[in-house]
Amino acid sequence: DAGITQSPRHKVTETGTPVTLRCHQTENHRYMYWYRQDPGHGLRLIHYSYGVKDTDKGEVSDGYSVSRSKTEDFLLTLESATSSQTSVYFCAIRDSATNEKLFFGSGTQLSVL
Amino acid sequence: AQSVTQPDIHITVSEGASLELRCNYSYGATPYLFWYVQSPGQGLQLLLKYFSGDTLVQGIKGFEAEFKRSQSSFNLRKPSVHWSDAAEYFCAVGGYQKVTFGTGTKLQVIP
Repeated sequence: DAGITQSPRHKVTETGTPVTLRCHQTENHRYMYWYRQDPGHGLRLIHYSYGVKDTDKGEVSDGYSVSRSKTEDFLLTLESATSSQTSVYFCAIRDSATNEKLFFGSGTQLSVL
Repeated sequence: AQSVTQPDIHITVSEGASLELRCNYSYGATPYLFWYVQSPGQGLQLLLKYFSGDTLVQGIKGFEAEFKRSQSSFNLRKPSVHWSDAAEYFCAVGGYQKVTFGTGTKLQVIP
């Protein structure tokens, strides 16, 4: 399947500390996405990118920032982590040639204590 | 703004019975529509997708879905459920850029 990796897979941090999650792809796809998954809320879009240095907000972007300086890497940063940001974070990429399905990474379990 | 509604949070069916999971969407043009499945502790796997053409689409694992523009629906069906189908199912709608997911339906399969 698609070459997409997330790091770290698990992270425990304290309230107020900065956290950066990394998504790396080997497919050269244009579109990359960050979602968070919480019980009862499904997957909610945080930010997405449609090219190098081209990003836009999703539905739950407050408290998060992103950067994409290379096609293959999409970073999600929690500037000052809060307990409400405890979640499972999924990165996804989308085949820009066909604009078809999303390929998902394995997820990052983030706990903010 | 695009959105997806999955009105059923939990559904329980007997093994061998038929299944229908409901999905309603809101989108300003012809949407891309998807169904994904997530087994416990696992990532998301695409079951099927609709972009255009035949409104009845076939997917993996014996699933199918029907796009009904007049009802803004994309319901997922399976004629005979297997115990291994127990999972959470997500409907999603997308356009050229964003893809929005519903809140999911958890399927329980009883013997």
